[in-house]
Amino acid sequence: AQSVSQHNHHVILSEAASLELGCNYSYGGTVNLFWYVQYPGQHLQLLLKYFSGDPLVKGIKGFEAEFIKSKFSFNLRKPSVQWSDTAEYFCAVNFPFSNDYKLSFGAGTTVTVRA
Amino acid sequence: EPEVTQTPSHQVTQMGQEVILRCVPISNHLYFYWYRQILGQKVEFLVSFYNNEISEKSEIFDDQFSVERPDGSNFTLKIRSTKLEDSAMYFCASRAEGYNEQFFGPGTRLTVL
Repeated sequence: AQSVSQHNHHVILSEAASLELGCNYSYGGTVNLFWYVQYPGQHLQLLLKYFSGDPLVKGIKGFEAEFIKSKFSFNLRKPSVQWSDTAEYFCAVNFPFSNDYKLSFGAGTTVTVRA
Repeated sequence: EPEVTQTPSHQVTQMGQEVILRCVPISNHLYFYWYRQILGQKVEFLVSFYNNEISEKSEIFDDQFSVERPDGSNFTLKIRSTKLEDSAMYFCASRAEGYNEQFFGPGTRLTVL
């Protein structure tokens, strides 16, 4: 069955450190890929998305992600994190068999940035 | 900037009671969704809704659940005869025609005692 997996459950970093969160999906065909962020007490917000084209996509707040088709991966990166990046990060995928673009989510990664 | 809103933010109910979770999608959006997240687990798709009909539902969305768009602005999720395992955060989302991005509400935390 199609699935989405995130490798890290909880990541703790210091400010200015680099961040990379892994996301893999299990499906051999074309998918749409998303990263959402949920800041404490707030709703899910879209960080970035990939549908086609340049596999390196840039999102809001200095985040970027790289789609590597051969690895079925869509890893999220930020070169230098800030305390305000403390949040939960979700990778999500539209699999093409869904008529309605429903999202399949990974388990989420909690990122804690220490000042 | 338009937002999806949800009420209440927290609902506590007794097992066996019915609850209605309310969502106001972004006004020009035509596709609506409910997801839920049980504590410590993944966000899971429940149901999608378009043109006043359910267009897709998951295995979780059984006869205990129903959705409705009672007027031009609200989108509701009704859970009949709640069970302890229904305790979760329930997220509403909406999407515009021709766009793939879903916009999420802040969620309703449902606690079934």
